[in-house]
Amino acid sequence: GENVEQHPSTLSVQEGDSAVIKCTYSDSASNYFPWYKQELGKGPQLIIDIRSNVGEKKDQRIAVTLNKTAKHFSLHITETQPEDSAVYFCAASIRDNNNDMRFGAGTRLTVKP
Amino acid sequence: NAGVTQTPKFRILKIGQSMTLQCTQDMNHNYMYWYRQDPGMGLKLIYYSVGAGITDKGEVPNGYNVSRSTTEDFPLRLELAAPSQTSVYFCASSSVPSSYEQYFGPGTRLTVT
Repeated sequence: GENVEQHPSTLSVQEGDSAVIKCTYSDSASNYFPWYKQELGKGPQLIIDIRSNVGEKKDQRIAVTLNKTAKHFSLHITETQPEDSAVYFCAASIRDNNNDMRFGAGTRLTVKP
Repeated sequence: NAGVTQTPKFRILKIGQSMTLQCTQDMNHNYMYWYRQDPGMGLKLIYYSVGAGITDKGEVPNGYNVSRSTTEDFPLRLELAAPSQTSVYFCASSSVPSSYEQYFGPGTRLTVT
C-alpha cells in the first residue's frame, strides 16, 4: 500500500519568514494530495490540495508543488504569521478511491513573533 | 450546520471494557470515516462507509466494529478495550465524488488502563 513520509517533524520560523514542508509517497497510482492543518484540540482541516495533472497550486500565502517523477510534493507558506502555528499533515490517495488515504506523520510548525 | 460532532470528548476505560464512540454529521455526506491518531503519527484509517448500510475495513480495523444505519450517524464500537487502543479518534465525512475534502470532528481522546 501507499506510504507517505513527511519532513521535518518540527519547524520553527520567525514571523514573516517562509516555511517549507516536504512529503514523499511510494505508490505511483496516487493522484490526489491534500494538506491538512490541525490546531490544538481540534480536528484536521483542509487548507489546500493538488491533483496529479497539476504541478503547482497557490492560494494566497499557501502553495503546493508536485513532482510526479520524483514522487514528492511540498507545502510552502510565505509571510508566516503566529496563527499559522499548528501541525500540518500531508496525505496521498488514489482520488477515485478516497477510502485509502495515507497521512504523513505531521510537522509541528511554530511561528515566533 | 454543526458539521461533524463526536461524543464523548474524553474517556478512560479499563482493560476489557466496551464502549461506543458516537459520530454524527449534518451535511448529508455519503462517505464517513473513522481514524485514530497516535502521538507523533499520522492518522490511520480504521473503518469507512460509502453510504447507509455499507461499511468496510481500513488500514487498522482489528479490535473495532462499526455500523451505518443512517446517513448521519457512524458509531465506532470497541468491544474489549486494550492499552494499544489508547489514542485520539477522529470521525470525518466527505461528499465523494463531488468533493474529496474530508471534514473532521473535534476528536475523542481515549485512554485504556
